[in-house]
Amino acid sequence: EADIYQTPRYLVIGTGKKITLECSQTMGHDKMYWYQQDPGMELHLIHYSYGVNSTEKGDLSSESTVSRIRTEHFPLTLESARPSHTSQYLCASSDFKEKLFFGSGTQLSVL
Amino acid sequence: GQQVMQIPQYQHVQEGEDFTTYCNSSTTLSNIQWYKQRPGGHPVFLIQLVKSGEVKKQKRLTFQFGEAKKNSSLHITATQTTDVGTYFCAGNSGGYQKVTFGTGTKLQVIP
Repeated sequence: EADIYQTPRYLVIGTGKKITLECSQTMGHDKMYWYQQDPGMELHLIHYSYGVNSTEKGDLSSESTVSRIRTEHFPLTLESARPSHTSQYLCASSDFKEKLFFGSGTQLSVL
Repeated sequence: GQQVMQIPQYQHVQEGEDFTTYCNSSTTLSNIQWYKQRPGGHPVFLIQLVKSGEVKKQKRLTFQFGEAKKNSSLHITATQTTDVGTYFCAGNSGGYQKVTFGTGTKLQVIP
């Protein structure tokens, strides 16, 4: 169905490491989003983009940063990971009707 | 900012019983969407409602958008174990407003 890909699927790293979570979509969508979600809990919007060179912070304060150099690519970077960053990170893109397509997510564990 | 609340937070039902989740927005919405997230999975789009008072059905699922376009409901008739998951509503106020997800209702179906 949806052509939106996230890598890696699982990531276990030590405190202080720099990481980049990858997200790519092949649907040509302008809008892309990053959500943070703890198991069984709410989805918290941490970053979004309405197009190339457009990025905005979401509702939940996050120490991560994003970039949008190409329409299809929306990576999320943590400069120095901490145990409090342990969570699931979901990337999504939306069509002109605002229907969201989600990737399979990256489960991040910071030790 | 826009807030979207859902009740109940959790619901356990016996297989075959009906289930309803309610979604309320603090602002008027241009459209409402519903998503289902299976345990361990990512949210998957179910439906979008746009018109005031709109009612849509998908097999055993009935979706309704309130007259004032500030609330919505999802009703499942005769639940099955395949209905297990968390149901999220998501609202959009139009224009360049971002989609805001509700707090979610976690459904457990007891066989």
